[in-house]
Amino acid sequence: EPEVTQTPSHQVTQMGQEVILRCVPISNHLYFYWYRQILGQKVEFLVSFYNNEISEKSEIFDDQFSVERPDGSNFTLKIRSTKLEDSAMYFCASSLKQGDNSPLHFGNGTRLTVT
Amino acid sequence: DAKTTQPTSMDCAEGRAANLPCNHSTISGNEYVYWYRQIHSQGPQYIIHGLKNNETNEMASLIITEDRKSSTLILPHATLRDTAVYYCIVRVQAGTALIFGKGTTLSVSS
Repeated sequence: EPEVTQTPSHQVTQMGQEVILRCVPISNHLYFYWYRQILGQKVEFLVSFYNNEISEKSEIFDDQFSVERPDGSNFTLKIRSTKLEDSAMYFCASSLKQGDNSPLHFGNGTRLTVT
Repeated sequence: DAKTTQPTSMDCAEGRAANLPCNHSTISGNEYVYWYRQIHSQGPQYIIHGLKNNETNEMASLIITEDRKSSTLILPHATLRDTAVYYCIVRVQAGTALIFGKGTTLSVSS
């Protein structure tokens, strides 16, 4: 069964550094998403992306975040200047667009630790 | 999107059916009910979804009341590996984000 792949599984970075989290969505999916989960808290929506532009974003997704689909297979989340509070699991997801049979399928996440 | 209400936690004996309830009394006619689960810190796993008819797949069954104000996820023969947080989410249309609540922590014991 096709799956969403995320790399790396764990990333450690220093405060103030830029970090890029990478995702390979399911190949025929058209919508892409990033979520995050701070330890012990809810899964929080960050942003959705369709047709090479952001379609929806939450209040969390401020100017320090950006997303990109640099080629036909990858979807990335960039955090420009990381803060301690950015430490979390980051989940990528993808879904088909058409019809009602379009659940999101999630990857197993990247654990980001900011020191 | 409509809000959902789920119990904080539930217990189930291994091999028995786990019935997880969800209230969504403000659901609109075009909103779907989705169920996901999260095991430890893994990514949320899709289980099932439906609009108004009952649905069944290899993982679970989804029973939606006629007025659509509540639903029940049924795991017919729970195993220890079904221990997870289960999320009931309503979603207005394909392509929009899923908004997760706190879910129900299901503990399956032998």
